[in-house]
Amino acid sequence: DTAVSQTPKYLVTQMGNDKSIKCEQNLGHDTMYWYKQDSKKFLKIMFSYNNKELIINETVPNRFSPKSPDKAHLNLHINSLELGDSAVYFCASSPRGSMYGYTFGSGTRLTVV
Amino acid sequence: GQQVMQIPQYQHVQEGEDFTTYCNSSTTLSNIQWYKQRPGGHPVFLIQLVKSGEVKKQKRLTFQFGEAKKNSSLHITATQTTDVGTYFCAANDYKLSFGAGTTVTVRA
Repeated sequence: DTAVSQTPKYLVTQMGNDKSIKCEQNLGHDTMYWYKQDSKKFLKIMFSYNNKELIINETVPNRFSPKSPDKAHLNLHINSLELGDSAVYFCASSPRGSMYGYTFGSGTRLTVV
Repeated sequence: GQQVMQIPQYQHVQEGEDFTTYCNSSTTLSNIQWYKQRPGGHPVFLIQLVKSGEVKKQKRLTFQFGEAKKNSSLHITATQTTDVGTYFCAANDYKLSFGAGTTVTVRA
């Protein structure tokens, strides 16, 4: 009964490849997010979707494309992977509004070689 | 988005001692959240502070929101090995913007 689940947990791939990370939440939350955590543990928001609608799109290379087929799912596709994309990617969800804590998935550790 | 600065970046604590981590902003915050991330884990929501001067406690953890709503602190008493991890504050406007975190290690 995992609340926010991400797959895969680990992803090792070569430069130039295209890869996807999937995220699903069973909490009934309206809003989902993608965060990137670098090697210094800094957490930076990438995207946010509210009920399938993109509401936050930070300064992220357009090689990154989120897709939300329904409000319980938010996937992240990355084209032409680069070494600098290596990081831990966290999916998160929250109820509508800014008054609630986020529930994070367990993360996907992406290593580009 | 709002920026928050956290200090110290690292905190090495003797088991049983107290410590405090601080979160500061140059602008007034509508509210602030605190998260804990264990080594190899994911951020876990601890608490949200909304009101000026608010103080909330969770067992050995005490969270404060400054009167001007520009700073916040987390104080842990009688540190235990289970307190190891990185503590993040996050400014909450239309998105959650995280501070750089305070990474805590505990000497037994």
